[in-house]
This record gives sequence, structure tokens and C-alpha cells, in this order.
Amino acid sequence: DADVTQTPRNRITKTGKRIMLECSQTKGHDRMYWYRQDPGLGLRLIYYSFDVKDINKGEISDGYSVSRQAQAKFSLSLESAIPNQTALYFCATSDQGLAEFGNTGELFFGEGSRLTVL
Amino acid sequence: RKEVEQDPGPFNVPEGATVAFNCTYSNSASQSFFWYRQDCRKEPKLLMSVYSSGNEDGRFTAQLNRASQYISLLIRDSKLSDSATYLCVVSRASGGSYIPTFGRGTSLIVHP
Repeated sequence: DADVTQTPRNRITKTGKRIMLECSQTKGHDRMYWYRQDPGLGLRLIYYSFDVKDINKGEISDGYSVSRQAQAKFSLSLESAIPNQTALYFCATSDQGLAEFGNTGELFFGEGSRLTVL
Repeated sequence: RKEVEQDPGPFNVPEGATVAFNCTYSNSASQSFFWYRQDCRKEPKLLMSVYSSGNEDGRFTAQLNRASQYISLLIRDSKLSDSATYLCVVSRASGGSYIPTFGRGTSLIVHP
């Protein structure tokens, strides 16, 4: 089984609909992230969370919200989807990246959720 | 100016060639540096971390130049299977934490 699981893997929806993308992990990591990827633009950070009570906006948070229900779960919501939110969405986890604790800061990704908003 | 910049390419090289990519970053307080590989429509996967002293893993060599704020990736004896997008990742300082920030990626095409 994958360490980081995203659902759904593919979704087609209409403008104005509410969409939730879910992410769960078995890595035991505190840190979780949501990125979106568009052709030619790389991965851009939407939201990130360093523990259950911690939620932070990334560079492109407008139109999105998140919920960290437990250490292992981090969901991304589009309250009212619009066509320019059509993209490939990745969830990722990492440790704290503190070398003194043997952490590497490596990101582990889910397989992605491809969202199309018509 | 984007915080992490890469030449998008594509770099089109024959098998056996040596190819190098650079990545520049703007935040001098950045702490950790990585190269990830992404195949078409797949999730990125870690290729290698980049250490201050430079590091090598088989045909791949990564180097960090803090003074000039760039990292590099050198691929020797390119294989067809090296064709992919290479993403530079820099953990930049933000409010006491370090946030992984991606460059746009450099596309490599290795041809026979």
C-alpha cells in the first residue's frame, strides 16, 4: 500500500460545485502539504500544516481551504470550483528536516488528484 | 523574482552525453536543498539531497554554492531512462520554519 494516498485520483466537476480532495498518510509525519501543478508552472504551495492544530497559507491559497482532521489526514476543499482550478493536485508529507534528529526533510508525495472544472 | 528559478529547457541530448542543470534561489536563509525527478503525470520522487560539500550518487553529482545561491545537478553518461523533468527544491526560511519551494522544473530528453 502507498504511504501517501490521495482520493479521488480523477474528478470532473462543474463550475460552482464544492469539491474535497482527501489525503491520508502512514509515514507518521507531522508535516503535510497541498501543492497544485500546472503545465510550465511547477508545483505551487496551496496550504501546509505542521501538526493537527497548525494550518498555514501557501502562495496560492485563495479559493481553497483545508482541514487537518488528524495527524494522518489533510483534506483540501474547493468551496466553489472555477475552471482555472483545473490542475493536478499533490499531497505531500515530510519530517521536520532536522539533521540532529536524523531527519532529512524529504517530501513524500501521493500519486496526485487530477481535477477538471468545466 | 521567483524564489527558485530553473531553465525549463528542454535539454535534448544523445545517450552517453553529460548534461548539467542549474537552479538559483533568492532567499539566502534557505537551509535544505534537493533535486527531485518527475516522470510525465507522475508524482515527484527524490533524486538526491544536496549537501554543502557536494555529493555524488552513481552518475549523478549535486553541488551547492551558497555564496552565489545556486545548486547544480550533473548527469554523466545519460541513459534513455533519464528522460524526465528535474525539479529543484529549496527549503526557504519563513517565520521560523522551513517551507519546501519548487522551481518550475527542467525537462530532459535523452535520445538514441
